[in-house]
Formats: sequence, structure tokens, C-alpha cells
Amino acid sequence: DTAVSQTPKYLVTQMGNDKSIKCEQNLGHDTMYWYKQDSKKFLKIMFSYNNKELIINETVPNRFSPKSPDKAHLNLHINSLELGDSAVYFCASSQDHRGSPSYFGPGTRLTVT
Amino acid sequence: QKEVEQDPGPLSVPEGAIVSLNCTYSNSAFQYFMWYRQYSRKGPELLMYTYSSGNKEDGRFTAQVDKSSKYISLFIRDSQPSDSATYLCAMTLDLAGGTSYGKLTFGQGTILTVHP
Repeated sequence: DTAVSQTPKYLVTQMGNDKSIKCEQNLGHDTMYWYKQDSKKFLKIMFSYNNKELIINETVPNRFSPKSPDKAHLNLHINSLELGDSAVYFCASSQDHRGSPSYFGPGTRLTVT
Repeated sequence: QKEVEQDPGPLSVPEGAIVSLNCTYSNSAFQYFMWYRQYSRKGPELLMYTYSSGNKEDGRFTAQVDKSSKYISLFIRDSQPSDSATYLCAMTLDLAGGTSYGKLTFGQGTILTVHP
């Protein structure tokens, strides 16, 4: 069983479109994150949710809106896609109170043309 | 200056070599230190996880943290071609239950190739 899963794996779309990426974790973790990895492989946090509540928003443009319908799911919706949004987006999860570090999903490679 | 500095390499070694990967950081408040391995087109996979200063060993991997020097290392003994990947150091002020909610700050990764 995959611990942290994401769909789709690849996403190719045109500028101006709106798209969503879905993430699910079956680890029972309380905290989920979105990270962005740029073309130089640098990983940077975007958002974090704890028990469906937004707790970290790292100065990400308003076009990016995360949504957590329950603590096992964290989706990322992107409006009006721009060329600079092309990157790999990783979902991760972590458990409160047990000292667990973050576990990452397989990534969604977004290409905006 | 980046909070976490990591030499991007690339680093190429023969099979069986001892590999040393390093990161330096500027924020002395970091307490938890991780090493992730990332194969091409895959997600980061947690390799080692240490708290505060000291050493931790797991099979062929040893992680070292020197908080006084703000320096962490990962050693790989008897390196194998299957170790070829990008190695990312990461650190956090605290874990998910703490005030920074386990937010990870990454180095830019070192590309390692182990050739047979």
C-alpha cells in the first residue's frame, strides 16, 4: 500500500488554465504539506494543514489554494496557470506528538505551455 | 545566503568507496536533521533522522550532526551503484506537534553517481 499518493503523476496544460492535484495519505498522520521542487531540484514548502486547518502559508500567490476535506486528504488547486508554475509538486505528511519526520508522495510533474 | 547550504556536486565515485555528503546551516535553532534520497523522477525517501548532535548508524549509512559547527554529514560505506541518486539534507526547528509544524528547510541536494 502506498503511504502518500498523488494524482495525477503528470500534468501538461496551457497558460491560463485551472488545474487540481490530489493527495491522500493512509498513515493516519495529522499534518500534511505541499512542497514545490524547481528545475534545480530545490524543495520549498508551500502550505501545511493540521487536522484540516491551514497552519503554514509560505507567501504563495493567491492563485494557489489548498483544500483539506479531511485529515487524510490535501488537494492543491491552481488558477490561471503561468509558465513559472512548471515544477514538481510533492505532498508530504507527518504525525504530531510521535516525533515523526515527513514522508513524501511520488510527486506531480506540472508543465505549463 | 541560504539557510541551508549543500554542495550540489555532481559527485562520482567507484563502487565500494566511502561517500561523504555534507550540509552547513545558519539557523542555530534547528533541532531535527534528516537525510532524504531521491531517485530520478521519484519522491524524496527518508534515509536517516537524528535529533540534536551526535551520530546515528543504520547499515551502511551514518549520519553525524555537529550543532556547535552547524554542520551535518551523511557517510555511505561500501557504496553501490544503487546508491546513485540525489541526496537532500533537511532540517526543522521542531516536529509536526511543535510551533513550526515540522516545516522542513532543504539543502539543494547533491547528485551522487556510483559507477561499477
